Amino acid sequence: DTGVSQDPRHKITKRGQNVTFRCDPISEHNRLYWYRQTLGQGPEFLTYFQNEAQLEKSRLLSDRFSAERPKGSFSTLEIQRTEQGDSAMYLCASGPKPRVGNEQYFGPGTRLTVT
Amino acid sequence: GDSVTQMEGPVTLSEEAFLTINCTYTATGYPSLFWYVQYPGEGLQLLLKATKADDKGSNKGFEATYRKETTSFHLEKGSVQVSDSAVYFCALSGNTGFQKLVFGTGTRLLVSP
Repeated sequence: DTGVSQDPRHKITKRGQNVTFRCDPISEHNRLYWYRQTLGQGPEFLTYFQNEAQLEKSRLLSDRFSAERPKGSFSTLEIQRTEQGDSAMYLCASGPKPRVGNEQYFGPGTRLTVT
Repeated sequence: GDSVTQMEGPVTLSEEAFLTINCTYTATGYPSLFWYVQYPGEGLQLLLKATKADDKGSNKGFEATYRKETTSFHLEKGSVQVSDSAVYFCALSGNTGFQKLVFGTGTRLLVSP
């Protein structure tokens, strides 16, 4: 079990540029989540995939954000035309098939800084 | 909507002191409750969980009991160590649908020798 991995760990970009993050979940997990965490706050839900289907998106996910999970394996989160307010830690989590009390396993996160 | 409220930190304790971090929640239905821990420079790790009223979750000397009547899930440890210094997050999830986690703002614990 290699755990959830994310790449890159850190990204610094200029305002207006596009960025893409990758998440590799635990291999047998069919659920995948993206969260965003700003300094001093708890993570906030962005979007959810079950296999390759994106089933839920938060209103936090503006039109500049898009996420994919081709073939139900890894996932990517793209932010277009980045703004300084996008600076945050982006967390990916995965979990097995839904059941009561089913926990999620988190990756180390990608820290984005928009200058 | 669902929400979680945690006591503000930092909580500063000496080694071997007793720890309590308060957590209360608001939710429709009967959520599952979790404590996650974030050590410096690391990702979130599940510490313990409880899925129904009166359940007690425990791990590494930490405990929390799901209290439906007070909508609380307070974290306790009888004797903290310096290595327990971290940020602790209380969270809930529904037991149907896509089961997103709703987190509190986190409580930083600092334990000195």
